[in-house]
Amino acid sequence: KQEVTQIPAALSVPEGENLVLNCSFTDSAIYNLQWFRQDPGKGLTSLLLIQSSQREQTSGRLNASLDKSSGRSTLYIAASQPGDSATYLCAAHSGGGADGLTFGKGTHLIIQP
Amino acid sequence: DTGVSQDPRHKITKRGQNVTFRCDPISEHNRLYWYRQTLGQGPEFLTYFQNEAQLEKSRLLSDRFSAERPKGSFSTLEIQRTEQGDSAMYLCAGGSKGEQFFGPGTRLTVL
Repeated sequence: KQEVTQIPAALSVPEGENLVLNCSFTDSAIYNLQWFRQDPGKGLTSLLLIQSSQREQTSGRLNASLDKSSGRSTLYIAASQPGDSATYLCAAHSGGGADGLTFGKGTHLIIQP
Repeated sequence: DTGVSQDPRHKITKRGQNVTFRCDPISEHNRLYWYRQTLGQGPEFLTYFQNEAQLEKSRLLSDRFSAERPKGSFSTLEIQRTEQGDSAMYLCAGGSKGEQFFGPGTRLTVL
């Protein structure tokens, strides 16, 4: 059974800092890994999708990496802004892409102005 | 905006009542997923459709829960005889090539 862990659970940093959010998963036989953002009381916004054959994906100030052999992914946020404040969720997609996503509990990020 | 809509956005009901939620993905989404999220937790997978066929159900989906996708377009999730433990955010996601796009969710409160 896939298990996903995210560290840290919460993070508060001053505006402008670069930061790294960590995600680990127990079963390396994943189809892909997806990073989401969730604002309070809202649904999930997809940030980046990394296929199992890829090592990293970039979108603007965001960069996500994937190391299947070690069961780890990281989300790098450059030049953080107060608008980046949200909960960031990592989700592993197993079973040939047909099974549902397995989520971590998220990292609650606060960017101080 | 992912194009996935859910209705209602909020539902308050009394214990023992039945409730039904609706999810409308975009037409390109041949796959449709339901998840449940409680406070401070990540979403948990409930069930999955490919077109109109329900292909997988989580053990979280007790006999009181039923989901349908009759024409491979919209989907409904019904909870019968609601319990206070059913209070949660119910999220729907559509997808076609592995990536999943979530709707805004339906927040259920069972009194």
